[in-house]
Amino acid sequence: AQKVTQAQTEISVVEKEDVTLDCVYETRDTTYYLFWYKQPPSGELVFLIRRNSFDEQNEISGRYSWNFQKSTSSFNFTITASQVVDSAVYFCALSLPYGSARQLTFGSGTQLTVLP
Amino acid sequence: ETGVTQSPTHLIKTRGQQVTLRCSSQSGHNTVSWYQQALGQGPQFIFQYYREEENGRGNFPPRFSGLQFPNYSSELNVNALELDDSALYLCASSLDSGPGNTIYFGEGSWLTVV
Repeated sequence: AQKVTQAQTEISVVEKEDVTLDCVYETRDTTYYLFWYKQPPSGELVFLIRRNSFDEQNEISGRYSWNFQKSTSSFNFTITASQVVDSAVYFCALSLPYGSARQLTFGSGTQLTVLP
Repeated sequence: ETGVTQSPTHLIKTRGQQVTLRCSSQSGHNTVSWYQQALGQGPQFIFQYYREEENGRGNFPPRFSGLQFPNYSSELNVNALELDDSALYLCASSLDSGPGNTIYFGEGSWLTVV
């Protein structure tokens, strides 16, 4: 069965610091999809990125960047020059291309607090 | 905004009662999924509907049931409520049920069972 581990329960940084959120996944399949979502206090899960297992290119989107390493089964997320508005819970998730495993399996989330 | 809307946003029910939660999917999306998120945890998949048929189910008992309507909106019904059913219930829609599709979530319905 697939599993996603986010070992960092809570992280607190001061505004403008860089912060990396770790995500480690487990699956025996060679085809899979990885996601990051942001959940502000309102509750809505905001989609940030999707990656398939065949695309190991790192991606940068503004202050956000993602480092996908199949060798270590990790898909880490870095926020550069953090801002107070980045404060939220961040979830990493995995899906597989068949059956009910097509649904998202989430990690337990990392609560990020950015202090002014 | 994702275009996925849920109602009600908050509700309180008594143990043993029944509840219905509603969801309107993003325009053009024919697939709706429901997730349960307990406090401090990640969301857990309940089930998915694709073109009005249940298309996958997580590890939830039969008292969790659902419907999808011709306009692709959906309902989640929970019978015989238990205290552990207290959670945020998230509805999500996607373009279809294929793998790797981006799934867009609503703001959820906060259910408290007392």
